[in-house]
Parts: sequence; C-alpha cells; structure tokens
Amino acid sequence: ELQLVESGGGLVKPGGSLRLSCAAAGFNFNNSDMNWVRQAPGKGLEWVSSISSRSSYIHYADSLKGRFTISRDNAENSLYLQMNSLGAEDTAVYYCARANYGSGTYYGMDIWGQGTTVTVSS
Amino acid sequence: AIQMTQSPSSLSASVGDRVTITCRASQGIRKDLAWYQQKPGKAPELLIYLASRLQSGVPFRFSGSGSGTDFTLTIGSLQPEDVATYYCLQDYDYPWTFGQGTTVEVK
Repeated sequence: ELQLVESGGGLVKPGGSLRLSCAAAGFNFNNSDMNWVRQAPGKGLEWVSSISSRSSYIHYADSLKGRFTISRDNAENSLYLQMNSLGAEDTAVYYCARANYGSGTYYGMDIWGQGTTVTVSS
Repeated sequence: AIQMTQSPSSLSASVGDRVTITCRASQGIRKDLAWYQQKPGKAPELLIYLASRLQSGVPFRFSGSGSGTDFTLTIGSLQPEDVATYYCLQDYDYPWTFGQGTTVEVK
C-alpha cells in the first residue's frame, strides 16, 4: 500500500522549534521528489517546501523567511521538516506529499499523508 | 511568485448539475496545473494533472481544460460525494502556489 505517515506535531511556544517526520512505504521513495504542504485552521492549502530525490534541489515558500529546513534520509525512507522561530502563523496541519515526476515534468502530488497538527501558542 | 486566482469561492448546485470552477494564473504556466479535492477533515487528493489528465481512479465526470493562464475544472454531473473544497495548484515554477479554493455544496 502506498503510504505516507507524518509525526512530530504538537503544541509549541512562540519562538520554539519542532521537527516533523514523514515515513514513506509502498513506493520507491529514493526516486521521488517530496513536498510539505500546510493548512491553517479554516484556511486553504499552502505549499511549504520541496526536495528532489537526491536532495540536489530544495525550494521554500517565500513566507517562511529562512526559518524552515527540509531534508530527507533515503536509507530510512523518511522526510523531515525542521521548523524554527515558530509563530502563531505557523499553526496548521502539515502534510507531506509525493510529487510524481518524470522526464522533466510533474504529474501532480499523488500520495499524501494524513497530516500532523502543529499548534503554536503560549 | 505566480498568483493563482480561483473562482467562485463557493457554489451550491443540484445533483446532476454540471459544475465549472476556474483558475487564472498571473502569468503563463503552460499546462503545469493540477486540481485537488479535499473533503472535510481529510487530506487532499489529486484529481487532474497537466491541466487535463485524469488521475488514475478518479471518476470520469471530472475533467480539466486550459493552458497558459486560464484553466477550468468541470464536474460533468454533480454527485453527493463530490461535496468538498477544490484547489488548483501551479507546479510550473517555484514557489508552487495554490488557488484560494472553491467549496462545492449540494442543494
């Protein structure tokens, strides 16, 4: 079964840090570009970050201002998001998603996790 | 960053109606656009990629069209299970950007 399972969410104080994890199973993680997408309560989807299969290419949303770092461990089939200097605006459900990619073209984010909730509050 | 403007923000239609949602990009994005469906409390699911290609397993009543700056998602015959919020996403250039979403309700 194609599966992504996020973990690491929780309650954190403003200015704090959190590391999210995403465990992949059932597909070739090593050859997959991966993404983080978030959704604030009652709001729309926001793309957060992307990392290529060999970590050669990494991109972030402009709104993050250098506070987040995406990484992966292909040996462990895992994706990570290190989040620092968290503020109330980072409160959201965070999803990891695979971007189906081939021959220089993306074919959509076709596998999604169930999400992990991050709440930033004092 | 490329801005994606989606309309309408919400709509209500009857079962069997044809429903159309539009998405406009602030600059040309070829056909690098995907549509996602998100049901309440669930993760998004891919419906359409490359503007018009139906994701495996998605019902044929869903279709997409467009290129450049103007795109459309059509539900050919609305079903009760289609109640959801629909989002477009441009994956032409980073940062990727979503539309604001369209909430579809059944009358």
